[in-house]
Amino acid sequence: QAGLTQPPSVSKGLRQTATLTCTGNSNNVGNQGAAWLQQHQGHPPKLLSYRNNNRPSGISERFSASRSGNTASLTITGLQPEDEADYYCSAWDSSLSVVFGGGTKLTVL
Amino acid sequence: QVQLVQSGAEVKKPGASVKVSCKASGYTFTGYYLHWVRQAPGQGLEWMGRINPNSGGTNYAQKFQGRVTMTRDTSISTAYMELSRLRSDDTAVYYCARSRSGMDVWGQGTTVTVSS
Repeated sequence: QAGLTQPPSVSKGLRQTATLTCTGNSNNVGNQGAAWLQQHQGHPPKLLSYRNNNRPSGISERFSASRSGNTASLTITGLQPEDEADYYCSAWDSSLSVVFGGGTKLTVL
Repeated sequence: QVQLVQSGAEVKKPGASVKVSCKASGYTFTGYYLHWVRQAPGQGLEWMGRINPNSGGTNYAQKFQGRVTMTRDTSISTAYMELSRLRSDDTAVYYCARSRSGMDVWGQGTTVTVSS
């Protein structure tokens, strides 16, 4: 099954707002919603949100997620240098599998 | 604290098999699915499959069907992922991750290098 579609890169300035997108279809994002993960170089991924906008404890309120149809979005407000990382979306697919996006590299200028 | 600790790095020859372990602690092992995800050098995340530690039931990504086997030993709260008929493009960091609604705890990763 095809993966989810994410833009390869996004660049924003310090303290600005970045919105990352993730497009799937009615079998995955449109049905079950999406989760978002952050990965810094050399580290395992870290869960930021699941089922669209549920944040695990300890995740900053600067990270918020949403979904419209088959597209999920992650909005990061007040960008900080430590937000520079790779961001992945994932979703459960009706084929009984997990699909990932290709990842977006976020650069904080 | 809740953690997943994986076995150490492996170097294998093409055609061989590798078995990676993932030991859970700090939570009820049978209460969460355990996923295996890999990441080739410089690439994105790739889902391989998951196991239900309670029942032992598995779901594998189509790409790995016939080559991957996921098992668990509930007596020692450990899950295993075995990949056979290794190729050079199986060189990657392999992660385990627990989930109920999202993959909220990840192992540290195990580097598997396939080289002749």
